[in-house]
Amino acid sequence: DIQMTQSPSTLSASVGDRVTITCRASQTISTWLAWYQQKPGKAPRLLIYKASTLQSGVPSRFSGRASGTEFTLTINSLQPEDFATYYCQQYSSYSRTFGQGTKVEIK
Amino acid sequence: EVQLVESGGGLVKPGGSLRLSCAASGFTFSDYSMNWVRQAPGKGLEWVSSISSVGTYTYYADSVKGRFTISRDNAKDSLYLQINSLRAEDTAVYFCARVGRMSTVISHFDYWGQGTLVTVSS
Repeated sequence: DIQMTQSPSTLSASVGDRVTITCRASQTISTWLAWYQQKPGKAPRLLIYKASTLQSGVPSRFSGRASGTEFTLTINSLQPEDFATYYCQQYSSYSRTFGQGTKVEIK
Repeated sequence: EVQLVESGGGLVKPGGSLRLSCAASGFTFSDYSMNWVRQAPGKGLEWVSSISSVGTYTYYADSVKGRFTISRDNAKDSLYLQINSLRAEDTAVYFCARVGRMSTVISHFDYWGQGTLVTVSS
C-alpha cells in the first residue's frame, strides 16, 4: 500500500497566520491527492482534489501544491473557523490511504 | 442537496455481526461508486471498502478483507456494509462517502455522511 506521511502532527497558529501542512507519498501518485478538513464530531469536508483544485464553496485562502511526491496545503490568513484537523488522501490506487492528520490549534 | 445518512451502528460483543446502511438522496445514486471510511476514537481516517456504481466491483482494506462485505441496492438508493467477526479494533465511527467523479471507483470523496458508531465490547 502507498503510505502517506503528513507533517507536522500539530501546528499552533494565530488568526491571520499563513500555515502550511505537508504530505509525502511513499511512491509516485501523480496528482491524485485530496485534502480534507475535519472538526470534532463532524464528517470530513473536501477542500482540495487533484492536488490543487479547490472544491466548490471552499474559500480561496486554501490552496494546494504538488512537487513530485510532496504535497502541501496552505491556508492564507487563518480564520477562527479554520482551527480543525486536516488530512491528506491519495487516490492513485484502489486502496485509498490517508495521512495521519494535522491538528491546527490556536496559539 | 446531496445527503448521506448512515444507520445501524451500536454496541456488539466480540465475534458478533452488524449491518450498516447508508441512505442516499439528492443525486442519481446509480451513477456513483461509494465507499465506507472509519475512524477509531481519537484516531485518523481509514478507508475500509469501495463498490462500483452498479455493484460489479468491490474492494477492501486488508484489515477487513474476509470479514466485511460491501453491497448496494440502487433501486433503494442505499449502500450497506455487513461486518462479521467483529473485534475490539473495529470500534469506530463508520462514514459512507461518495466519489467525486461519476463512473469511476478511484476518486476523491466529495460528500460524506455524519457517521454511525460501532462499539465492540464484551
